[in-house]
This record gives sequence, structure tokens and C-alpha cells, in this order.
Amino acid sequence: EAQVTQNPRYLITVTGKKLTVTCSQNMNHEYMSWYRQDPGLGLRQIYYSMNVEVTDKGDVPEGYKVSRKEKRNFPLILESPSPNQTSLYFCASSWSGKSYNEQFFGPGTRLTVL
Amino acid sequence: GESVGLHLPTLSVQEGDNSIINCAYSNSASDYFIWYKQESGKGPQFIIDIRSNMDKRQGQRVTVLLNKTVKHLSLQIAATQPGDSAVYFCAETLYSGAGSYQLTFGKGTKLSVIP
Repeated sequence: EAQVTQNPRYLITVTGKKLTVTCSQNMNHEYMSWYRQDPGLGLRQIYYSMNVEVTDKGDVPEGYKVSRKEKRNFPLILESPSPNQTSLYFCASSWSGKSYNEQFFGPGTRLTVL
Repeated sequence: GESVGLHLPTLSVQEGDNSIINCAYSNSASDYFIWYKQESGKGPQFIIDIRSNMDKRQGQRVTVLLNKTVKHLSLQIAATQPGDSAVYFCAETLYSGAGSYQLTFGKGTKLSVIP
């Protein structure tokens, strides 16, 4: 089944404890992206990747890191999480970064930073 | 920066009636618009899209209308069903350089279908 998977789905952590949220897609997509979703603010892009070893900042990159060493994986790294990073995170992928390519979203990761 | 917005945050519709969800965008350079549906506990799911050189596009039970004069986008759902209950987002894409496009989402409208 073609899909985007994220792990973990739910995570509660404490301020300053490094964490990684994994994202994997099995559709051979070139483009991958991370979003956070907050009430009243909608979905905002954190980082995106046009292809392997190519990443770029989205609208809200502060406090996050990403890497794209393999085509299928695009982990989101929080080196020192803070409470304002409590949010619902979505990973997405598409064939390319062109506007007309449909983005497929993962199921989401609910992160709480205490 | 410019952003996509929505006129109505919530919408309640009787089952079988038609639904209309509206969206205003402010960036006239956006070349592509998309509607997403997000059910509770799930990620957004693509519904329908439209290019900026079109004013109407139809899918199965859904129609998207684009009015570039007033920068307005709408999603019409015919014969609304309980399974249509979800949050609907409009999104615009804008070329951000180096062959990539940035996707900017609106804040969402919650559609509730009354049985």
C-alpha cells in the first residue's frame, strides 16, 4: 500500500531532551516536507526537501533540523525541544516540488513538550 | 507575508443539501490552488485542485470555483453526506525559486453534517 508513515504517533517528552520523529514513504517520491498544525494557525511548513541531500527552510524552521540521506526517509529532529513546540506534526511527500504534484500526508505525530 | 484565509470557521449542513466552503487568498501570483479534507485523527487528504488559468473544475460531487478578480476560491459539495464531516483547508502554491513551490494553507473550516 502506497503510504507515508510517521513514528511515533504520540510522544510526551520534557524540555531539552533531544528527539527524532521519523518519516518514511514507499512511493519513490522526490519531494518531502514537514508541517506543524496548531489551532487557529493551520498548517505551517517547517522544512522541505526537493531530493536526497537537498533541504530547505519553510515558514517556521527555528528549533528544528532535518536530514535527507535516503530518498524514502526524512526525519525531523528537535535538538532541544521547548513547550512551544508542542503541536501536531505532519510529514508529506509528492513526486516532485512542482505545484501540480499532489502531496500525500502521513497520519500525524502528536508531540507534547513539558 | 501574504496568506490564505477562510471566511467561515464552521459550517453546519443538513444531510443531502449542498455545501459551500469559501476561501480568500491575497497573493495574486499564486498559480495553483488545492482543497484538502482532514478527518479527525488523520492527515489532510487531497480533494481537488485548480490552476490559476481556470475558473471552474469538477470532480465527483465536488466543484471548485476560482474568481481571480476578487481572489476568492470556493469548494462546493453536492448532496452532502455524513462522511463529508471534516475540516477543509484551501491551499495556494507559489513558486519559491530553484524549481520548488511553497504550499501555504488556510486555517480551515469545519463542516458538520446533520443527519
